[in-house]
Amino acid sequence: QVTLRESGPALVKPTQTLTLTCTFSGFSLSNAGMCVNWIRQPPGKALEWLARIDWDDDKYYTTSLKTRLTIFQDTSKNQVVLTLSNVDPVDTATYYCARSLPSGYDAFDVWGQGTTVTVSS
Amino acid sequence: EILLTQSPGTLSLSPGERATLSCWASQSVNNNYIAWYQQKPGQAPRLLIYHASSRAIGIPLRFSGSGSGTDFTLTITRLEPDDFGVYYCQQYGKSPRTFGQGTKVDIK
Repeated sequence: QVTLRESGPALVKPTQTLTLTCTFSGFSLSNAGMCVNWIRQPPGKALEWLARIDWDDDKYYTTSLKTRLTIFQDTSKNQVVLTLSNVDPVDTATYYCARSLPSGYDAFDVWGQGTTVTVSS
Repeated sequence: EILLTQSPGTLSLSPGERATLSCWASQSVNNNYIAWYQQKPGQAPRLLIYHASSRAIGIPLRFSGSGSGTDFTLTITRLEPDDFGVYYCQQYGKSPRTFGQGTKVDIK
């Protein structure tokens, strides 16, 4: 059974760096075609794709946040980490990690339950 | 960036009725790489359709997707009470991946 679970702080202050961890099981990110993504959803708003890391360590970021985002993996721990620097209240959202279809297509077939982050002083 | 516009914003229907949800892309979506998701309050989205018309594992036959180029449709035949929620389309033909703003389906 494939599962993903997000973890991280519930509250961060403006200008700080947010660090989120996605711990997954049931698949290996070392296998060809596997990708893990981060997606966020501000309260009452639509979904926004943020970043993706591939089995071969290729990384992709959304254009508008590219300078503030970093994604990396800890293969030994089955974890994918996302950092977002210089956070602002507009970064308040539920952050999800999700797996791409095993063939590498970016339709997201398994999602974590999400972690809610509030940016406030 | 490909902008996806969904219509209508809200759909109120009775059980047994047919729901037709539209998704328009600002430019042609490569290989019709469109997915549809259902999201209920407090839950993560659930993948329904990928590649515009392929049902994800475990998705009932009453959900179907169609379309090509810039115009895509999700159809739910014979709505059931459990089908309420917000439905999002998403394109993965071009980076960055983008989502529509959602269509809310209310069951009368």
